[in-house]
Amino acid sequence: AQTVTQSQPEMSVQEAETVTLSCTYDTSESDYYLFWYKQPPSRQMILVIRQEAYKQQNATENRFSVNFQKAAKSFSLKISDSQLGDAAMYFCAFENTGNQFYFGTGTSLTVIP
Amino acid sequence: DSGVTQTPKHLITATGQRVTLRCSPRSGDLSVYWYQQSLDQGLQFLIQYYNGEERAKGNILERFSAQQFPDLHSELNLSSLELGDSALYFCASSSRGQLNSPLHFGNGTRLTVT
Repeated sequence: AQTVTQSQPEMSVQEAETVTLSCTYDTSESDYYLFWYKQPPSRQMILVIRQEAYKQQNATENRFSVNFQKAAKSFSLKISDSQLGDAAMYFCAFENTGNQFYFGTGTSLTVIP
Repeated sequence: DSGVTQTPKHLITATGQRVTLRCSPRSGDLSVYWYQQSLDQGLQFLIQYYNGEERAKGNILERFSAQQFPDLHSELNLSSLELGDSALYFCASSSRGQLNSPLHFGNGTRLTVT
């Protein structure tokens, strides 16, 4: 079975600074997909960024980027130039080829003005 | 807007009652997933359907059941409700079979059992 671990229950960052959220996963599959979702106080689940396991290039979406280390089974999210609106719970997720999704327990990000 | 519609947005009911949560997936999506999120908790996977058939089951209680209809909408039935069932219930859909198809979440149904 696949597992996703987010070892940082809470993180904080100063506005305009950079923060990195950690995620590790465990799988025996070679083909899979990874995602970061954001859940603001409204509790909507919003897709932030996605990464295909077969792609070596790290995904980037504006101020959000990932550091994907396949051998280490690590998938961290970097948020640059943090904004107050980035304050949210962030969930790392893993999708296998059977289209089953596994979520981490989340990291609560606070942005300090 | 994710394209996934969940109704109702809020539901308040008493212990022992039964409720039905409804979900319409994004246009073209064949897979529907149900998740439960209690206060300050992560997402607990309940069940997955694909084109009307059950594909995977998570930590779904026997008091809970679900189905996906021919028009692809899905319903989650919760019966003999307990206080601990109070939670936010998410429906999500995806285009199963397509590479790199993320989950698209509805806004959730907030269930309060009193």
